[in-house]
Amino acid sequence: NAGVMQNPRHLVRRRGQEARLRCSPMKGHSHVYWYRQLPEEGLKFMVYLQKENIIDESGMPKERFSAEFPKEGPSILRIQQVVRGDSAAYFCASSPPGLAGVNEQFFGPGTRLTVL
Amino acid sequence: DQQVKQNSPSLSVQEGRISILNCDYTNSMFDYFLWYKKYPAEGPTFLISISSIKDKNEDGRFTVFLNKSAKHLSLHIVPSQPGDSAVYFCAARNRGQLTFGSGTQLTVLP
Repeated sequence: NAGVMQNPRHLVRRRGQEARLRCSPMKGHSHVYWYRQLPEEGLKFMVYLQKENIIDESGMPKERFSAEFPKEGPSILRIQQVVRGDSAAYFCASSPPGLAGVNEQFFGPGTRLTVL
Repeated sequence: DQQVKQNSPSLSVQEGRISILNCDYTNSMFDYFLWYKKYPAEGPTFLISISSIKDKNEDGRFTVFLNKSAKHLSLHIVPSQPGDSAVYFCAARNRGQLTFGSGTQLTVLP
């Protein structure tokens, strides 16, 4: 009865490197969402994906950030050429198929990205 | 532009008493409201939700009230227990996307 899995739990990168964050949704879930939490703030929506499709990326920065949810394997949030301002906790959530968002979203434990 | 606001960053309550956490929103397109509880270094855990067509939903010690005309919702926890101490986030849904408030740190004192 595994929940949403995220790895790594902690990631340290130097400025200019790439960060890859992985999310495996709960079994049977086909909707994945990525959120970012900056210190002392609430979670901010980034992107909503279904298998092989980006449904809503209105919260994604226009440059350096990309997300995918392939037919096989986990969802990946990729940040190229990281900067210090990218340091945050990145949370993934998943929900079952059906009417989008009707069911509550179940969150993973997050990946804490630190950019030196 | 904060569409979901939790104006109290912290709240302390005595064990056994009622905890009331408040949340205000501005976007009338939100159709579903949720409360999440979060411990440090963990992801948010779903607690309770309410559809915009209802005004109350109860689950055990947790009750959520929605006042659509005031664009206000609240979470009541009765009786409060020390294990309830955590950060509580209010979230509102619009087409799959959740918008979160900034959270309220609840401390239940034994």
